[in-house]
Parts: sequence; structure tokens; C-alpha cells
Amino acid sequence: DAGVIQSPRHEVTEMGQEVTLRCKPISGHDYLFWYRQTMMRGLELLIYFNNNVPIDDSGMPEDRFSAKMPNASFSTLKIQPSEPRDSAVYFCASSFQELYGYTFGSGTRLTVV
Amino acid sequence: AQKVTQAQTEISVVEKEDVTLDCVYETRDTTYYLFWYKQPPSGELVFLIRRNSFDEQNEISGRYSWNFQKSTSSFNFTITASQVVDSAVYFCALSERGAETSGSRLTFGEGTQLTVNP
Repeated sequence: DAGVIQSPRHEVTEMGQEVTLRCKPISGHDYLFWYRQTMMRGLELLIYFNNNVPIDDSGMPEDRFSAKMPNASFSTLKIQPSEPRDSAVYFCASSFQELYGYTFGSGTRLTVV
Repeated sequence: AQKVTQAQTEISVVEKEDVTLDCVYETRDTTYYLFWYKQPPSGELVFLIRRNSFDEQNEISGRYSWNFQKSTSSFNFTITASQVVDSAVYFCALSERGAETSGSRLTFGEGTQLTVNP
């Protein structure tokens, strides 16, 4: 099992540009989560999906952020337009059942200059 | 609302010392799960343990042990005979069944930076 796969590992972009982060969950996992980690706010949940359907997006900071899960093996988190305050590490995680242990990807370190 | 508190921001010990990382949680749910994750300097989040609210038995895994006490809402983590490779940020987390949905969110504490010096 390859685990949760995120790409890219690092992304540097200029303010105002569109950024797309990608995630491939573990096969068979029906929950997918997007988290953001910053020094100021720690680890915070942005959105999560169950069977490809968004369940709770209350953590999405603002309309500049959007997430999709077109199928069970792929999800994207898009920021448009990006701002320097979006700089953070973005983690994707998947889980087999609710309340089970979550497996996290290696994260995408985003820097917006 | 659920909350996890890790009061120890940083801990520094010398190799072979035992160290306990504290975790206190708040929840109004009777069904919930507690977790510990390790984040080494490389940045990934490594799952260590999951414990459900109905199982208060302590758990031991090698040099790691966990003490779950519902009476004090605590889920503490002890590393015995610490090693330099244990140096990392350790996160305690809580997941409870959402009232409105069938899914749940994982709420993390702020983490404890453990440094083990040789």
C-alpha cells in the first residue's frame, strides 16, 4: 500500500496565482480530509468528504478556497487567487471508517510570495 | 465543542530518561476516539495510537505507553528510556461523532515539541 499520496511536495507561487494541490487517498478509504498546518493556528481541518461528497467545509477560510473529489481516488484543493497568508503545509488524510485512525499524506508545503 | 489541550509546549530530556506528554480533552459526546500522532523533523504525521471512549485500559507498545483516564479527561503518553530518534512534535487529537452528520472531524492539540539530547 503506497499510503496517501500528495503532490506536489513543495510549491512556490506568486501572489494572485492559482494553486492546485492534489491527493490520492488509500484505496478503499471512504473518508478524505484536508488539513492545514501553520505556526499560528496549528493543525486545522479545512474540509472532509465521505464517499466523494463534501460533508463539512466550515473550515475553508474563504471563497478563494475550493475542494473537489471527482472520484474515490482523487481530490484537489484549489486556491484562487493565492495570498501570502495562505503559506502553510497542507495535509491530506484518508480513513476507512469514521472515527478510525487517519492516515496522512506527506503534505504539500506551499509558499506564496 | 471539542477541545484538546497539550499544556507542555516544549520538553527537553536527556537520552534514556522517561518522559510523559500530557493531554487533556473536552467533549460532550459519550462516543469519541483519542489519538496520538508523531511529527518528526521531516514533517509527516505518523499515527501512533487510537483509543475509544469505552476502553480505559492502558496500552503499551514497546517503549511507548498510554494512560487513558476518563475521570480526569486525560490521555497521557509516556516514552520510556527515550532515544534521540524520539525527538519530534507529538500531537494529541480527539474525534467525536458529529451531531449533524455521520462523519467526524479530528481536533488536534497544539502539540508538544520533545527534544531528546544525547
